[in-house]
Amino acid sequence: EAGVAQSPRYKIIEKRQSVAFWCNPISGHATLYWYQQILGQGPKLLIQFQNNGVVDDSQLPKDRFSAERLKGVDSTLKIQPAKLEDSAVYLCASSLVGGGKTSTDTQYFGPGTRLTVL
Amino acid sequence: AQKITQTQPGMFVQEKEAVTLDCTYDTSDPSYGLFWYKQPSSGEMIFLIYQGSYDQQNATEGRYSLNFQKARKSANLVISASQLGDSAMYFCAMRETTSNTGKLIFGQGTTLQVKP
Repeated sequence: EAGVAQSPRYKIIEKRQSVAFWCNPISGHATLYWYQQILGQGPKLLIQFQNNGVVDDSQLPKDRFSAERLKGVDSTLKIQPAKLEDSAVYLCASSLVGGGKTSTDTQYFGPGTRLTVL
Repeated sequence: AQKITQTQPGMFVQEKEAVTLDCTYDTSDPSYGLFWYKQPSSGEMIFLIYQGSYDQQNATEGRYSLNFQKARKSANLVISASQLGDSAMYFCAMRETTSNTGKLIFGQGTTLQVKP
């Protein structure tokens, strides 16, 4: 079974430029997550989709970040304009069901996109 | 607020020996789930093991086991018979319980280096 796919793997841009990341979850997984991982820290959730609806975007800086999951399958995350502090690894994850505080539903992660903003 | 704490920034272990990576958590909810992930230098987060707060036994998965001490709010990962390929960053995570989204809250991670 294919895992979570992400592209590109690496991206270097100047500040104030825009950038987009793509994620294709594991087939059949209803829930998709985008995490931001700054160097030396654990990942932090940016946005969570259940099928093609947003479940949680409370940590997404909406003035510059946007995300969509058309048709409830793959997803794109965009940053416009980028700032120096956006330099991080952007991880996409998916899970079969999602939700539920005691759920054993496991999140499976892609390889991530390492973004460097100069 | 919920929190995961990993107090060991870096650990060394000799190949074939066992190692314990510490994780403590803070939550007032009696129901929660705990996860451990491995992140090699390639960047991908690899799921290792899960422990539910009501599970009667400590979780085990191959060479990985979880030393779950509920009263102490600790969920330490034990890796037996360490291998060179175990060198990586290890993250403890808890499923957030204040909402029903199922999102994970991660600790800051522990870097493990296995010496030959």
